[in-house]
Amino acid sequence: RKEVEQDPGPFNVPEGATVAFNCTYSNSASQSFFWYRQDCRKEPKLLMSVYSSGNEDGRFTAQLNRASQYISLLIRDSKLSDSATYLCVVGPGYQKVTFGIGTKLQVIP
Amino acid sequence: EAQVTQNPRYLITVTGKKLTVTCSQNMNHEYMSWYRQDPGLGLRQIYYSMNVEVTDKGDVPEGYKVSRKEKRNFPLILESPSPNQTSLYFCASGGNQPQHFGDGTRLSIL
Repeated sequence: RKEVEQDPGPFNVPEGATVAFNCTYSNSASQSFFWYRQDCRKEPKLLMSVYSSGNEDGRFTAQLNRASQYISLLIRDSKLSDSATYLCVVGPGYQKVTFGIGTKLQVIP
Repeated sequence: EAQVTQNPRYLITVTGKKLTVTCSQNMNHEYMSWYRQDPGLGLRQIYYSMNVEVTDKGDVPEGYKVSRKEKRNFPLILESPSPNQTSLYFCASGGNQPQHFGDGTRLSIL
């Protein structure tokens, strides 16, 4: 089983839709969780950290389910500019982290 | 402007010819790391460093070396490059996690 698993997609959603991605991880001792965004052929950009209690940043909500070992990212009111690949990142600490292969999102007009 | 600078951005070279990819950050970050990104495999960590003179192996360190003599610089060295090291490489820095990434270096080893 891979350390971090994501559905590669693509997820094609209409503008304004709500979309959610899940990411499962295998190491129950993991302590650090992040979501990154990567545009085609560009560098990854940190979108948000994921905290145990869940956290929100504008239209984006991240949640952690330790019992089932997954994190999720919810995007409300999707914009065309949200089209990108979303990378799930998990690690036992902050330094040595593992990236998922990413979930591709395409928001359609 | 806060940034992570990698050089070169593109390089085509031949097997066995030593090369160095430089990485420099201007944010006084303690943490720096190197990744390679390959289709279907995502980003894989090569090496990371928590501070000057402190480096640790990531998931795929074979065939690579790094050094951290100064806080701002973290070069990636390929002593004897091979075709399986053809990839897109990213350097990252952060307070204690990969927060800022460089633009990437596309290496082709023939």
